[in-house]
Amino acid sequence: GAVVSQHPSRVICKSGTSVKIECRSLDFQATTMFWYRQFPKQSLMLMATSNEGSKATYEQGVEKDKFLINHASLTLSTLTVTSAHPEDSSFYICSSGRDLAKNIQYFGAGTRLSVL
Amino acid sequence: SQQGEEDPQALSIQEGENATMNCSYKTSINNLQWYRQNSGRGLVHLILIRSNEREKHSGRLRVTLDTSKKSSSLLITASRAADTASYFCATDGSGYSTLTFGKGTMLLVSP
Repeated sequence: GAVVSQHPSRVICKSGTSVKIECRSLDFQATTMFWYRQFPKQSLMLMATSNEGSKATYEQGVEKDKFLINHASLTLSTLTVTSAHPEDSSFYICSSGRDLAKNIQYFGAGTRLSVL
Repeated sequence: SQQGEEDPQALSIQEGENATMNCSYKTSINNLQWYRQNSGRGLVHLILIRSNEREKHSGRLRVTLDTSKKSSSLLITASRAADTASYFCATDGSGYSTLTFGKGTMLLVSP
């Protein structure tokens, strides 16, 4: 199956710093990538849809200035959590699909963010 | 917004037993998919069933879909300890659209 690589897998940072998370499609071109947030023992909440070469589409209630998304190439999307605070601590997961007709998503391994 | 609702929220069984998880959704769908998530990891696609299909098999997995009741079930037969994970259903509407995930069922298979 298609491979999506997400890095880093875990990050601990101080409050007020910015954290960048990378999501790469390793064996296919991804014009669209998705960023999710997941709280413990809960489902995935879609944060935004990242579109290569254009602005991301954010879900209602997600601050676009807080969660900056850049999709500068067909294989890389980045999510930057700006001025992170403890309430931003969560598990962030990216995904992308190769087959638009089937809409099967391939997920990164996730990033555990802990803001102190 | 979440569309899928799985039940049970948690399921604990012994190895060799079958595990059945259910998913209900609210609006019309194009496809319904099931994903598996090991603790602290990303999701892995298991199986997709189209809205015009009623049942699908893949190895030890059996998925059913009842569009009249807006529900689906995932059956894992002869479960193994390695099946321990959370299982999510995901739906998408007509045309290419984002997936909406259910709340998930946490399955624990004891040796």
